[in-house]
Amino acid sequence: NAGVTQTPKFQVLKTGQSMTLQCAQDMNHNSMYWYRQDPGMGLRLIYYSASEGTTDKGEVPNGYNVSRLNKREFSLRLESAAPSQTSVYFCASNQAASYNEQFFGPGTRLTVL
Amino acid sequence: AQSVAQPEDQVNVAEGNPLTVKCTYSVSGNPYLFWYVQYPNRGLQFLLKYITGDNLVKGSYGFEAEFNKSQTSFHLKKPSALVSDSALYFCAVRWGRTNAGKSTFGDGTTLTVKP
Repeated sequence: NAGVTQTPKFQVLKTGQSMTLQCAQDMNHNSMYWYRQDPGMGLRLIYYSASEGTTDKGEVPNGYNVSRLNKREFSLRLESAAPSQTSVYFCASNQAASYNEQFFGPGTRLTVL
Repeated sequence: AQSVAQPEDQVNVAEGNPLTVKCTYSVSGNPYLFWYVQYPNRGLQFLLKYITGDNLVKGSYGFEAEFNKSQTSFHLKKPSALVSDSALYFCAVRWGRTNAGKSTFGDGTTLTVKP
């Protein structure tokens, strides 16, 4: 099992450019999440998907969109990148109906110039 | 609203000494509490959790945590620290059986174990 995979690992964008961060899990989990991690601010939830076909906003959704493509894949899109979106982005998954922990991907380090 | 606090940004201990990383929470109802560890340039890894039952839970790498309902705390402990324990530690709280499994994370505590 690969667990949770994310692509790309690193990305540099110019202000106004768009990009999509990809996430996939092979654990048959129902729920998937996108977080951003900034120094001193812990992890903040951007969007989550409780199950295939549903998505909901988290704590900091502005400037982002998501797509739950199927049960395995959950992508995060930045339509018009801004320097404030410079961060490390983590995808995670778990079985929402149980009390299990979340499994995290290795992260994408994004810099917006 | 649920929240979790890690009152110390940084904890420094000498190798072989006991370590404690503190976590307090605020949530209505019964919380589910988690500890995760993050090594440099890696994603978070699960250490242990409290769901119900025995207040002392044991996890990976010799770590344990004690759930204290009256003090609303869930401190992470280890009897004898290793240099390799140096990392960023996150406490997280979840409540209820639904909420899509969402967790609220603390801001993290950097643990440094010196030889």
